[in-house]
Amino acid sequence: QSALTQPASVSGSPGQSITISCTGTSSDVGNYNIVSWYQQHPGKAPKLMIYEGDRRPAGVSTRFSGSRSGNTASLTISGLQPEDEAHYYCSSYATGIIWAFGGGTKVTVV
Amino acid sequence: EVRLVESGGGLVQPGGSLRLSCTASGFTFSSYAMNWVRQAPGKGLEWVSSIGGSGGSKYYAGSAQGRFSISRDNSKNTLYLQMKSLTDDDTAIYYCAKSDYSNHQFDSWGQGTLVTVSS
Repeated sequence: QSALTQPASVSGSPGQSITISCTGTSSDVGNYNIVSWYQQHPGKAPKLMIYEGDRRPAGVSTRFSGSRSGNTASLTISGLQPEDEAHYYCSSYATGIIWAFGGGTKVTVV
Repeated sequence: EVRLVESGGGLVQPGGSLRLSCTASGFTFSSYAMNWVRQAPGKGLEWVSSIGGSGGSKYYAGSAQGRFSISRDNSKNTLYLQMKSLTDDDTAIYYCAKSDYSNHQFDSWGQGTLVTVSS
């Protein structure tokens, strides 16, 4: 059982926007603005997409954005494209655990 | 360009030991914390262990505490994970991941090395 809770799957049509939630507690997401999001295509290594809640690394599309409210962080993908189909994982620093991951969300572009 | 290359994975019997290595290039290795993250077949990511740039600070997930040992050789730009008393639950792809300057996220990942624990 993962420390952070994500929906198992989210789907959307090309061009639409989708949001993936990541729910933690006051010991992780709610207490530290150290939430990151990773994209993982099948058979590939994870890739950092969002860090410190809402910041994008160089080279990541502006279609990806992050936010945080209370114990829940969110990743929004705007203008959904076929290449966005992948698994997405949230991660947060967590008191006593150090790093916690969510169980992952499979994004399907239908 | 940052490059992380893991090695050392393979098939090991339950109760056995294995040492993983991660060779780094493209950045000043000793300046960054490094991490091991694993992924069981068809499952999500699980943080395993982290080590500070100098090697003085080490952290372990509960599942690794007492069985795994993280270390680094900054002269060889190499990160290690010594694993012992392996069980079926340790079967996974083990990724080496570099922390960013603030040590707040994993900004570069290797391609992983597969560890299979089976009799």
